[in-house]
Amino acid sequence: EIVLTQSPGTLSLSPGERATLSCRASQSVSSSYLAWYQQKPGQAPRLLIYGASSRATGIPDRFTGSGSGTDFTLTISRLEPEDFAVYYCQQYGSSPTFGQGTQVEIK
Amino acid sequence: QVQLVQSGGEVKKPGASVKVSCKTSGYSFTSYGISWVRQAPGQGLEWMGWISVNNGNTNYAQKLQDRVTVTADTSTSRAYLELRSLRSDDTAVYYCARDTGIYANPRSADYWGQGTLVTVSS
Repeated sequence: EIVLTQSPGTLSLSPGERATLSCRASQSVSSSYLAWYQQKPGQAPRLLIYGASSRATGIPDRFTGSGSGTDFTLTISRLEPEDFAVYYCQQYGSSPTFGQGTQVEIK
Repeated sequence: QVQLVQSGGEVKKPGASVKVSCKTSGYSFTSYGISWVRQAPGQGLEWMGWISVNNGNTNYAQKLQDRVTVTADTSTSRAYLELRSLRSDDTAVYYCARDTGIYANPRSADYWGQGTLVTVSS
């Protein structure tokens, strides 16, 4: 099983700031089969990025995914009030697994 | 518009089984897979399993494969998750999701149901 480790656990930032979230895999993720999801309290997850860097339908361009192999990053260029949430990475190159999540909170 | 609507919450005793349904609409049911993901209270996401609606192939998380079955009924555009031998640590919100993996393997999940709370308690 591929273990995904997300860091930091919590990111405290102000609206307008840049957020950089990390996801590290215990072994290489084949074909960059890496996705990022956003989840707000009481809601289902929402797909942001798939294939490591492709934005899902309707996702604003302030969300950018990058990386390959074992190291992946989600960058939010300028935080909007609605971006404060928990973010999960998921690999689906082998039996899918999720990271433990990064909470982006208002500073 | 794409919608996945799940069945209502369930309360079960340890050792029982539960079956959660997921009614889909707004897209061609056989052109996507369905994945199931659960979330224990205050915890992260756990992938459980996937079915190719097109050919019936399935893929399950190793830790659950002896207790879980995912099925799909193309005549009603519904998917189902059955979990057997329930334990207290199966208490969670269970989500179905449209999966972009069509034939052989799960991929990313682009539309999600609203979630179904399953509580396991004696």
